[in-house]
Amino acid sequence: EDKVVQSPLSLVVHEGDTVTLNCSYEVTNFRSLLWYKQEKKAPTFLFMLTSSGIEKKSGRLSSILDKKELSSILNITATQTGDSAIYLCAVENQGAQKLVFGQGTRLTINP
Amino acid sequence: NAGVMQNPRHLVRRRGQEARLRCSPMKGHSHVYWYRQLPEEGLKFMVYLQKENIIDESGMPKERFSAEFPKEGPSILRIQQVVRGDSAAYFCASSPQRGANYGYTFGSGTRLTVV
Repeated sequence: EDKVVQSPLSLVVHEGDTVTLNCSYEVTNFRSLLWYKQEKKAPTFLFMLTSSGIEKKSGRLSSILDKKELSSILNITATQTGDSAIYLCAVENQGAQKLVFGQGTRLTINP
Repeated sequence: NAGVMQNPRHLVRRRGQEARLRCSPMKGHSHVYWYRQLPEEGLKFMVYLQKENIIDESGMPKERFSAEFPKEGPSILRIQQVVRGDSAAYFCASSPQRGANYGYTFGSGTRLTVV
């Protein structure tokens, strides 16, 4: 059965800190890995990763995939209180019929 | 483009009643996915539909749950004879074609509370 595990489950840091969120997966016929940010409502898309070793970047957020280690990290530098959210990692298999999500990491940024 | 619209946003049902959750996909999207999120957990896949067809319902409980996506109108997730364990947030997502690389947009969810 396909599985995604995120760590840590919860993280509290001060504004300005840098954080690294982890995602490891087991999936049959990997197609892509996605990161989402979830505040009080709909998950919003951050990144989709398909190739190993290529960093994707958007402002203070960046992410990279390691297909050999079956893992991905999401980095956030110079954190702000608006970064407080649950960060979800999901994988898609070649059938592309569904996403398998991890439990999420609840990130809290204190001023 | 209004995005993926789900209604109602909040739904309260007594045990034994029926719950109907609606999802209108983005314009031009013919693929709809339903997910359930229990408190403090990630999203769990339930069912994938393409206009008038159920493509994958491997995540649907065998009883009481059904889904449809008719030729006209929204996709409906129906839960009959609800129980307390059905309390959760139900999200739908839509895409123009199969696969996340085509853009997979989530709605804001329906929070179902069974009392």
